[in-house]
Amino acid sequence: DIQMTQSPSTLSASVGDRVTITCRASQSIGIWLAWYQQKPGKAPNLLIKKASSLESGVPSRFSGSGSGTEFTLTISSLQPDDFATYYCQQYNSFPLIFGGGTEVEIK
Amino acid sequence: EVQLVESGGGLVKPGGSLRLSCAASGFTFSSYFMNWVRQVPGKGLEWVSCISSGSGYIYYADSMKGRFTISRDNAKNSLFLQMNSLRAEDTAVYYCARANSVGASEIDYWGQGTLVTVSS
Repeated sequence: DIQMTQSPSTLSASVGDRVTITCRASQSIGIWLAWYQQKPGKAPNLLIKKASSLESGVPSRFSGSGSGTEFTLTISSLQPDDFATYYCQQYNSFPLIFGGGTEVEIK
Repeated sequence: EVQLVESGGGLVKPGGSLRLSCAASGFTFSSYFMNWVRQVPGKGLEWVSCISSGSGYIYYADSMKGRFTISRDNAKNSLFLQMNSLRAEDTAVYYCARANSVGASEIDYWGQGTLVTVSS
């Protein structure tokens, strides 16, 4: 099975900071990667699909890049609503695998 | 508006069984692959199973194979997860989740989740 490794597991940042989260796949997954945001007590919300395609309604401060085995999620200017946990997910093949998550907390 | 509403969670003893249901509305249910994803409270997301639109293709995570059975009733816009031989480590919130496209896919809609607690 493909393994997905996210880093860091926790990130402390301030409003206005540029934030980058990395996700690495154990083998090439092409562009078949999604990013989700999850807030406490809520279901995840799809932010980005196909590594860099922003989902409708998602603010443009979110962006994704990468292909193959290395991917990044960038928040260009962190807003108060962005403090949450972020997950990557590969969908190149079954089983679907999520990264371990990155909690973005207030510095 | 797409809605996915899970039910059937609760407290069950180790070795017991539980059947989760998901009522779908706001989209053509019979056209979409559907998934179950779980999350141990305070931990990460774990994919459980996926079923194709016509039930012809079914996929499971290895740790659930042989114990969990996914099914659907397109006439009733419903998704199910039959869970047998439950273990303490199956304790989690179980989400019903719609695949955005056929096959392995990103998930574009999630239910609110139903909590399954396996404990004596």
